[in-house]
Amino acid sequence: NAGVTQTPKFRVLKTGQSMTLLCAQDMNHEYMYWYRQDPGMGLRLIHYSVGEGTTAKGEVPDGYNVSRLKKQNFLLGLESAAPSQTSVYFCASTLRGSLSYEQYFGPGTRLTVT
Amino acid sequence: AQKVTQAQTEISVVEKEDVTLDCVYETRDTTYYLFWYKQPPSGELVFLIRRNSFDEQNEISGRYSWNFQKSTSSFNFTITASQVVDSAVYFCALPGENTDKLIFGTGTRLQVFP
Repeated sequence: NAGVTQTPKFRVLKTGQSMTLLCAQDMNHEYMYWYRQDPGMGLRLIHYSVGEGTTAKGEVPDGYNVSRLKKQNFLLGLESAAPSQTSVYFCASTLRGSLSYEQYFGPGTRLTVT
Repeated sequence: AQKVTQAQTEISVVEKEDVTLDCVYETRDTTYYLFWYKQPPSGELVFLIRRNSFDEQNEISGRYSWNFQKSTSSFNFTITASQVVDSAVYFCALPGENTDKLIFGTGTRLQVFP
């Protein structure tokens, strides 16, 4: 049982390049989330999904797109990377809504945009 | 609106000292859960506790204890006899208004020196 995994762990992009971050969970969780973590800002929600085929915007969605084609995978895309997107990205999943279930986090992806 | 405030940005203590991390929250919900997460230097986020608003009894787990006071909207976390391994960033969290997502505080960095 691997829990939540993220690929890649590190990446350096040039401004304007695109990339996709992959999140996978093997716990049969319904809900999945993408956060970014910046110094002094805590964790901010980018997008989330409440089930296969559904996505919703979080607090800071601009510049990102997501897809949830399979229940176990949640992809985060950057179409045209900007230096402001330099951050650590965390994926999380939970069995159902966050009212009562804890979120399980992946190890994070450190992205630098130059 | 839902909000979590962790006013202490950074706390430094010497090993074996007791330390309390503050968390103050705002919510419109009458029933809710509160969470604490730990982020050690390795970077992953680790779930520590989930607390139901119905239950205001203190929770103790080893050297960790949590004091939930609905009257002051606080959910404080105390580490007794701190150890170097307790050094981490600690986040308090609360479900968002539609309960699909968690709202995180900005975190408190705890440094425990030998």
